[in-house]
Amino acid sequence: EVQLVGSGGGLVQPGRSLRLSCTTSGFTFGDYAMSWVRQTPGKGLEWVGFIRNKAYGGTSEYAASVKDRFTISRDESKSIAYLQMNSLKTEDTGVYYCIGSLDILILQHWGQGILVTVSS
Amino acid sequence: EIVLTQSPATLSVSPGERATLSCRSSHSFSSNLAWYQQKPGQAPRLLIYGASTRATGIPARFSGSGSGTEFTLTISSLQSEDIAVYYCQQYDNWPPITFGQGTRLDFK
Repeated sequence: EVQLVGSGGGLVQPGRSLRLSCTTSGFTFGDYAMSWVRQTPGKGLEWVGFIRNKAYGGTSEYAASVKDRFTISRDESKSIAYLQMNSLKTEDTGVYYCIGSLDILILQHWGQGILVTVSS
Repeated sequence: EIVLTQSPATLSVSPGERATLSCRSSHSFSSNLAWYQQKPGQAPRLLIYGASTRATGIPARFSGSGSGTEFTLTISSLQSEDIAVYYCQQYDNWPPITFGQGTRLDFK
């Protein structure tokens, strides 16, 4: 059974950092691209970014709203994807989903969602 | 950036009846469109990709169609487990990948 379990969310002050983790099982992690999508009341579903699998260079792409603040990485040995969020803003508040996909652009397997609240 | 507009915002359909959801794009493209279903408290689930290909395990009552700027998700006979919010997503012109704002489907 494919599973993606997110962790690391919580309440954080503006300007601080937070790292989300997505622990996966039930599929060959190295074959999959990993994406992050967030959901906010104001903007609905918003693509955050993705990281390609190693066969495609393990490179990443980001939405303009998070570029230079957020970094996606992956640990092949642990089958975990990460979302490092720096310089957080109140508008980053939302539920963050990690997704594993064979086709990076088609969001195939979703994790359960991680709540991030940025507030002073 | 491609903007997707879904209509209607809320759709009420009787059990067993057909539900037709629309997704309109600001730019024309062929088939790089997906549909997702989200039930309360759950993550979205992939239903359709390539505008018309059902994902693994998706019942045959779900079908997708369209190209250009007009796309449609059809549920041929609405079941209770289909009550959810439905989102379209384009992956033709990226970054960014973009989503529609969703259509809430409920029983009449």
